[in-house]
Amino acid sequence: ELKVEQNPLFLSMQEGKNYTIYCNYSTTSDRLYWYRQDPGKSLESLFVLLSNGAVKQEGRLMASLDTKARLSTLHITAAVHDLSATYFCAPSLRSYQLTFGKGTKLSVIP
Amino acid sequence: GAGVSQSPSNKVTEKGKDVELRCDPISGHTALYWYRQRLGQGLEFLIYFQGNSAPDKSGLPSDRFSAERTGESVSTLTIQRTQQEDSAVYLCASSGRGGYGYTFGSGTRLTVV
Repeated sequence: ELKVEQNPLFLSMQEGKNYTIYCNYSTTSDRLYWYRQDPGKSLESLFVLLSNGAVKQEGRLMASLDTKARLSTLHITAAVHDLSATYFCAPSLRSYQLTFGKGTKLSVIP
Repeated sequence: GAGVSQSPSNKVTEKGKDVELRCDPISGHTALYWYRQRLGQGLEFLIYFQGNSAPDKSGLPSDRFSAERTGESVSTLTIQRTQQEDSAVYLCASSGRGGYGYTFGSGTRLTVV
């Protein structure tokens, strides 16, 4: 069974600061997704990481994957209020079934 | 269609009633998935359809839950004799071959009273 741990689960950060969300998973996975979810909304795909050492960046968000350590990180640079949301990591287990972490609820405050 | 479409968006039902939730995947997507999200939680996998292959039902929580899909089109998730613990948002996703374009719908919020 694939287990996923995200930390922190809650993150309050000031605008302009940097921070990293960590996603550890327990067994081999062939890909890992990061999603954003706003309150009452569905999930928005941010990144798909397909191989060891993969790094992807979009705006103030950068995601990386270390398959040997079974670790993915989502780094936030110079946070702005619009980034406030819940972020989920989801490695895949067989046939593209995603296993989700509990999510990191990010609040960016002025 | 342009995105994954789910209906209804909200459903309130009485305990013990049956409900049907519908998912219309992105045209051309061969794979379809159902997930459940309880309040404040991550998503739990329920079932996966890939083309005409037998579905992976390993995530269905009880025999009250079932799902069907006709070919590579619409899927319905049926919950029989609903219980209060079934209250959640039910999300459908679809993807192309190799998991390409894994996209979620807006979900159906089910409330069992």
